[in-house]
Amino acid sequence: AQRVTQPEKLLSVFKGAPVELKCNYSYSGSPELFWYVQYSRQRLQLLLRHISRESIKGFTADLNKGETSFHLKKPFAQEEDSAMYYCALSGSGNTGKLIFGQGTTLQVKP
Amino acid sequence: DTGVSQDPRHKITKRGQNVTFRCDPISEHNRLYWYRQTLGQGPEFLTYFQNEAQLEKSRLLSDRFSAERPKGSFSTLEIQRTEQGDSAMYLCASSRDRANGYTFGSGTRLTVV
Repeated sequence: AQRVTQPEKLLSVFKGAPVELKCNYSYSGSPELFWYVQYSRQRLQLLLRHISRESIKGFTADLNKGETSFHLKKPFAQEEDSAMYYCALSGSGNTGKLIFGQGTTLQVKP
Repeated sequence: DTGVSQDPRHKITKRGQNVTFRCDPISEHNRLYWYRQTLGQGPEFLTYFQNEAQLEKSRLLSDRFSAERPKGSFSTLEIQRTEQGDSAMYLCASSRDRANGYTFGSGTRLTVV
């Protein structure tokens, strides 16, 4: 079964501290993985995709097939990073259907 | 083009009534998706259109749910005989292709009383 697990519902850090939002997936093929973010009172938006290997707003995420993980990292958290973060998996077929994790709320304290 | 638009933003309805939501995707996006999100959960897939063809439906989509995208542009999602369990945020998203991720709308929040 295809599944995405985000084990932490809430992650609270101080400004300037490193951040790691955990994401584990279950999928037998070659997954495509994404991180989406939802800031307060805004719509859900794409943060980054594993295939592009990009860094967006200082965030990076590396696909680790051995550990079936796609953790989101940032070396120095900023208050404006406070938001809900969702990890998502695009699995089999050509539909581009996404399977989302339950989300992690990141709270960055001043 | 201001992105993906959804209408209405909020809908309160009595149990047993029918409701219809509309989604206007980004014009050059031929892929359109509907998701449902309940409190504390991530979005759950409901259905997918490529142009006007509905190519996949989730088992979550009971017979009371129907979606259309008649001309490959806007889409509607209708729920007949609403139940309290249908209360949720209904999200629409569009994309140009599989690899580039979605653009989401703001959602329609349905409350069934």
